[in-house]
Amino acid sequence: LAKTTQPISMDSYEGQEVNITCSHNNIATNDYITWYQQFPSQGPRFIIQGYKTKVTNEVASLFIPADRKSSTLSLPRVSLSDTAVYYCLVLRRGYSTLTFGKGTMLLVSP
Amino acid sequence: DAGVIQSPRHEVTEMGQEVTLRCKPISGHDYLFWYRQTMMRGLELLIYFNNNVPIDDSGMPEDRFSAKMPNASFSTLKIQPSEPRDSAVYFCASSQTTGGFTEAFFGQGTRLTVV
Repeated sequence: LAKTTQPISMDSYEGQEVNITCSHNNIATNDYITWYQQFPSQGPRFIIQGYKTKVTNEVASLFIPADRKSSTLSLPRVSLSDTAVYYCLVLRRGYSTLTFGKGTMLLVSP
Repeated sequence: DAGVIQSPRHEVTEMGQEVTLRCKPISGHDYLFWYRQTMMRGLELLIYFNNNVPIDDSGMPEDRFSAKMPNASFSTLKIQPSEPRDSAVYFCASSQTTGGFTEAFFGQGTRLTVV
């Protein structure tokens, strides 16, 4: 599966939009992108997934360009409670194993 | 469904003792995963089961670790004997693949401290 690269950490303030970009240069045709969020002392939680273009749900948006070599998780107007680690994963359709990288530690300040 | 349930939430044990971690997956999910998380190594996949059968245990650190899934609603991860370097948070997760896409649900974790 494609290796992912994302920033180690990001800082933001309440009310700002946060964009976290993940690189996955070797993504294959049968692969899709998924993002998980982990709060301190909790297990990771699914946020969003997509194959191409744009996906939006009540939590976030996911932008995937045509070449699919990267993806951007967008969190609109973050609050202090969005402070967490965000993981980008590339998964193969039909296969269930999730391999986590280091993730991006997002710190939201007042 | 109450989600993935792990017990105990915290475990403190002495080096050399046997430790058993327990997990109840979400009903209907056919995959179960055991992960270990430390600051140094992040989230590591230890082993996973499909329909109660172990599929890949290549992440199990050594023979001191063993995992079982006797039925669809219960799994255990055992460490015998435990060592201080086993101290970590252990997560259990379950999932089902629908239409080729997977969403995994994680339990709250068991924080293990070996002294």
